Amino acid sequence: GDSVTQTEGLVTLTEGLPVMLNCTYQTIYSNAFLFWYVHYLNESPWLLLRSSTDNKRTEHQGFHATLHKSSSSFHLQKSSAQLSDSALYYCALSDDTNAYKVIFGKGTHLHVLP
Amino acid sequence: EAAVTQSPRSKVAVTGGKVTLSCHQTNNHDYMYWYRQDTGHGLRLIHYSYVADSTEKGDIPDGYKASRPSQENFSLILELASLSQTAVYFCAAGTGLAEQFFGPGTRLTVL
Repeated sequence: GDSVTQTEGLVTLTEGLPVMLNCTYQTIYSNAFLFWYVHYLNESPWLLLRSSTDNKRTEHQGFHATLHKSSSSFHLQKSSAQLSDSALYYCALSDDTNAYKVIFGKGTHLHVLP
Repeated sequence: EAAVTQSPRSKVAVTGGKVTLSCHQTNNHDYMYWYRQDTGHGLRLIHYSYVADSTEKGDIPDGYKASRPSQENFSLILELASLSQTAVYFCAAGTGLAEQFFGPGTRLTVL
């Protein structure tokens, strides 16, 4: 079945350094939709980025990701980490055959240090 | 005003007791979902619904029931709560392939 694999556990960075959180996926369907959700402590998760277009960069709030169907990847990047980026990040997968269902990865905690 | 609300926000239950978690949405989304969040497992789908009076099993439905009496309301029911059901539960609403809107979560502790 479909699955999502993320950088596991905790990623600790110093403020100002680049961020890269890995996400790879498996699906039998050709039209995959990939998402990044962010979950700040004591808040609700919300959608940060979404893409279904191969090799197109998607950006929002300083973060960006490019869906590469050839390598089944959708890595989240940011050029310079900020303290306020500390959160739990989920990569997620859906497709237009099972449009209702979103499969989430296990999440990556990003902790940015001063 | 939040589009998805949950109640209660936290709950302590006894083993074997019945627990009902409620979710309400105001944006008229067709799909509603219940997830549980555990460290190391991320968000796992318990039940979902795409129309009132109908629910479907997700990936981890055992020990849980769901009810959707209206477009706006979606409940998660634990008939016999167990220690292993201690977790944070999130309700979400969406329109499929688009953004899912999450509620604030319910922290359930089963003792």
